[in-house]
Amino acid sequence: AQSVTQLDSHVSVSEGTPVLLRCNYSSSYSPSLFWYVQHPNKGLQLLLKYTSAATLVKGINGFEAEFKKSETSFHLTKPSAHMSDAAEYFCVVRRDTGNQFYFGTGTSLTVIP
Amino acid sequence: DTEVTQTPKHLVMGMTNKKSLKCEQHMGHRAMYWYKQKAKKPPELMFVYSYEKLSINESVPSRFSPECPNSSLLNLHLHALQPEDSALYLCASSQDRGGAQPQHFGDGTRLSIL
Repeated sequence: AQSVTQLDSHVSVSEGTPVLLRCNYSSSYSPSLFWYVQHPNKGLQLLLKYTSAATLVKGINGFEAEFKKSETSFHLTKPSAHMSDAAEYFCVVRRDTGNQFYFGTGTSLTVIP
Repeated sequence: DTEVTQTPKHLVMGMTNKKSLKCEQHMGHRAMYWYKQKAKKPPELMFVYSYEKLSINESVPSRFSPECPNSSLLNLHLHALQPEDSALYLCASSQDRGGAQPQHFGDGTRLSIL
């Protein structure tokens, strides 16, 4: 069975400070993992994806995530937060067969000027 | 710019109306999805189409009727909706059974039921 846990429902950081959004997964198989961002009244935009080629994945807008199999984690980080990063973030796991995607409950990121 | 296009962006309808939401993609994806999203919640899966055939229906009420006329188009027909159906409706597409491939989302239709 697959499931995703986002450990923080809300994270608040100051502009220019690092961002850490935490995600843990459970999967019976080698998972495909994704991070999406959603700005108000918009769809979900793909930030990055883990596909087993490399454990450190770089995405758009300066975000990156590290896949740690031993910890079943896929945390999202960014060295320096920007005001435009304020949004909802979703961690998603895809079952390796079929068309099922499993969403975390989301983390709302606030960036304080 | 999103590669999945949804129309209309906003829709207000009464409980007795009939309307349709439309979704289009030209990425050659053969899996297409409808999601319902309430504020501050993750998307909830409604339907999945695989090669234009309905493969997953998450026990959605019959007042929602999906249709996939061809590999690029996905419709959601609405009839006799309830106020609790007000939400953001998202369409997505992906490679079918694509393992490591992600979904691509449209910007959604904001639906309000009067």
